[in-house]
Formats: sequence, C-alpha cells, structure tokens
Amino acid sequence: AQSVTQPDIHITVSEGASLELRCNYSYGATPYLFWYVQSPGQGLQLLLKYFSGDTLVQGIKGFEAEFKRSQSSFNLRKPSVHWSDAAEYFCAVEFSNSGYALNFGKGTSLLVTP
Amino acid sequence: EAGVTQFPSHSVIEKGQTVTLRCDPISGHDNLYWYRRVMGKEIKFLLHFVKESKQDESGMPNNRFLAERTGGTYSTLKVQPAELEDSGVYFCASSQVDYDRLAGGKLGDTQYFGPGTRLTVL
Repeated sequence: AQSVTQPDIHITVSEGASLELRCNYSYGATPYLFWYVQSPGQGLQLLLKYFSGDTLVQGIKGFEAEFKRSQSSFNLRKPSVHWSDAAEYFCAVEFSNSGYALNFGKGTSLLVTP
Repeated sequence: EAGVTQFPSHSVIEKGQTVTLRCDPISGHDNLYWYRRVMGKEIKFLLHFVKESKQDESGMPNNRFLAERTGGTYSTLKVQPAELEDSGVYFCASSQVDYDRLAGGKLGDTQYFGPGTRLTVL
C-alpha cells in the first residue's frame, strides 16, 4: 500500500532557529506532493506543492521544500522560525496511479519557544 | 473569494443518533472531497465527487455513511446510526476539475480545505 511517513510527531525549536520537517513516501507512481499547515482552531492551509519541474519549491510564509526522487522525500524547511509558525504540519501525496485522493502523513506538531 | 465552509463546526451526539455534516465548496469547484481524522491517526480520504457524481468512494468505512451532492453544489455527509469510533474531525476539500487528468493526463490537483467539523459520539 502507498504510504506517507512523517517520522517526527513533535518538534520544538527556538524562535529564529532554522526548521526542517521530514516527509517520506513509499516508492511507486509519480507523486504530486503537498505540505499543509493547521493552526489551532483553523482548517488546513496549503503551504506549497510540487507537481513537476524545479525540485525546490517556494511556498507561503517563507517556507520551501525540496523533492528528492532518489530518497522519496519532500522535506519542508524554513530558515528562521517565527512564534506564529507554531502549528501542526501535514505532508500529503497524491499518487498518479490512484485517483485524486490525498494520502497524508500523521502530522508533525511544531512548538516554538522564545 | 470565500473558501470552503463547513457546518457545524462541532457536533456532540449520542451513540445511535444521526448526524448530518454539510460542506460548501469554493464557487466554481466541481471536485469535492471528504476526509476524516480520527484521534491519533492520519487524515484519511473518504470520497470524491465530480459535480454530483461519486468519482471515488473507496474510503467510505461502511454503509452507515451516506454522502450526497445534489445539484453539484454543496454536499452532505450523513452518519446513521453513529458509533463511538466515528468520532473525529471531518474535513471537506474542493478543487477545480482538470478534465485532462480525468482523461488520463498528468497534471496535479490542488485541494483547498475547510475548517472541519469535530464530531464527538458519546
């Protein structure tokens, strides 16, 4: 079965520090890759996506992600974290051979300390 | 432009009762999806509408769940009778139809999510 793994359930970083959230997916059909963020009391907001082309994609709020096909990874990065970035982050993958359904990782909860 | 809206935001019901969740997609979006997140688990796909037709309902857990999208606009998801394990957050998402993909093309599909409905079954 196709799957998405976010190995870190919780991450704590200091404000101003850099951030990297990991995402791996099971090897298989061409993936379409997404990162969503859910702030407390809010819905899922799209941060960025990768369909094709340049493997380094820029998103909103200063986030970027890099697709590495050889590692089946799509890690999310931010050079300097702000307190408002505290939220839960979801990696999602749409596999081109399995309809339009998004397959989600379990999410990574980010805590930002002063 | 208004985003995806869902109603109610919270619902608390007793086991055996019926609950109906509503989703209004972004205007002009013919794709509509339902997902569910049970506590401690990942967000799981339930089903996909294209206009009023069910394109994929492979994620529906059982026949206690009924989704409809009459007229191809808003959608409802009814749970009858509700069980304890149905508790969770139900998300709706919408996107524009990519007819090239429906025909077997390769473009991706960007789904925009609503705030979710938190369902608690006691």
